[in-house]
Amino acid sequence: DIQLTQSPSFLSASVGDRVTITCRASQGISSYLAWYQQKPGKAPKLLIYVASTLQSGVPSRFSGSGSGTEFTLTISSLQPEDFATYYCQQLNSYPLTFGGGTKVEIK
Amino acid sequence: EVQLVESGGGLVQPGGSLRLSCAASGFTFSDHYMDWVRQAPGKGLEWVGRTRNKANSYTTEYAASVKGRFTFSRDDSKNSLYLQMNSLKTEDTAVYYCARVHSGSNCYDYWGQGTLVAVSS
Repeated sequence: DIQLTQSPSFLSASVGDRVTITCRASQGISSYLAWYQQKPGKAPKLLIYVASTLQSGVPSRFSGSGSGTEFTLTISSLQPEDFATYYCQQLNSYPLTFGGGTKVEIK
Repeated sequence: EVQLVESGGGLVQPGGSLRLSCAASGFTFSDHYMDWVRQAPGKGLEWVGRTRNKANSYTTEYAASVKGRFTFSRDDSKNSLYLQMNSLKTEDTAVYYCARVHSGSNCYDYWGQGTLVAVSS
């Protein structure tokens, strides 16, 4: 199985900060990676797919990059509504797997 | 508007069974693969498995943790996805989400609101 390691697992930041979350895969997954945002009590929401494609309706302050084994999700200027938990997911091979999550909290 | 609505969750004893449903609307259900994803209380997301569409013979994929105990099915005439869960264990306690697979990218562009399954004596 492909393991995804997200770092950091917890992040404290202020409104307006630039935030970067990393997702490392235990083996190469090309660009078959997605990022989701989840708020408490809600279903996850798709942000980015195939590593760098912004899902329709997602603000342009979110961006994704990477290929192979290392990927990043960047929020260029953190907004109050961005405080949430973020997950990466590999879609290269079964079983599909998720990273452990990164919780972004207000400093 | 795309909607996915899960139902059927509840409290069940270890070793028991439960059947979840996911009612879809707002899109051509029969065209899409559909997945189940679960989330234990306070934990991360775990992929449960996939049901492909008719064009791909409704084939399925299962996570190792549920293989042999869970069964996926779908009824395209009712725009519905099902998850039959047997031999339930306490570690199956989670919110279960159905999710639509985004054509071409394999990820999930729509999720249901989730239904809670609690396995406890």
